[in-house]
Amino acid sequence: DIQMTQSPSSLSASVGDRVTITCRASQSISRYLNWYQQKPGKAPKLLIYAASSLQSGVPSRFSGSGSGTDFTLTISSLQPEDFATYYCQQTYSTITFGGGTKLEIK
Amino acid sequence: QLQLQESGPGLVKPSETLSLTCTVSGGFISSSSYYWGWIRQPPGKGLEWIGNIYYSGSTYYNPSLKSRVTISVDTSKNQFSLKLSSVTAADTAVYFCARPWSTDGYSFFDYWGQGTLVTVSS
Repeated sequence: DIQMTQSPSSLSASVGDRVTITCRASQSISRYLNWYQQKPGKAPKLLIYAASSLQSGVPSRFSGSGSGTDFTLTISSLQPEDFATYYCQQTYSTITFGGGTKLEIK
Repeated sequence: QLQLQESGPGLVKPSETLSLTCTVSGGFISSSSYYWGWIRQPPGKGLEWIGNIYYSGSTYYNPSLKSRVTISVDTSKNQFSLKLSSVTAADTAVYFCARPWSTDGYSFFDYWGQGTLVTVSS
């Protein structure tokens, strides 16, 4: 299986901050990389697919980049509703998810 | 708007079979190009893909669970189901059903159920 490693595992930030979360694959996955946001007690919500394509209805402050093994999710200006846990997912081969990054209020 | 809803027992005994159903509304489960999937999340932990099924019945399972998993579809009820045999405490998790979709060959899960907690305990 392809291992997905997210960093950091947790992050404290303030409203208005620019935040970047990193996801690294154990082998090249081209652009087969998605990002999800999950709030407590809720299902994950798709934010970004194919590494950089914004899902319909997702605010433009979210953006994704990368290809091969290294990917980033950037939130340009944190809003109160963005405090959640974020997961990357690869679909290049047997689907696997990263361990998650918990974004907390500073 | 597609909606998915999981249902099934919240408590299963060790060594028994976990059975869950996902009811799809707002669309037909047998629509062409539709896959359906299951993902789980142990309490406080990350996400694990279990498997997908095509509307025609073709299945794709996570190799780590393949020997214990069966996913099936019932088009007459607009439902698909998950069976996981020989469960242990390690199978305690919130189980989500979801719709895999793809654009330009890139797949992702775009619709999810709310999730249902299944606890394995005697």
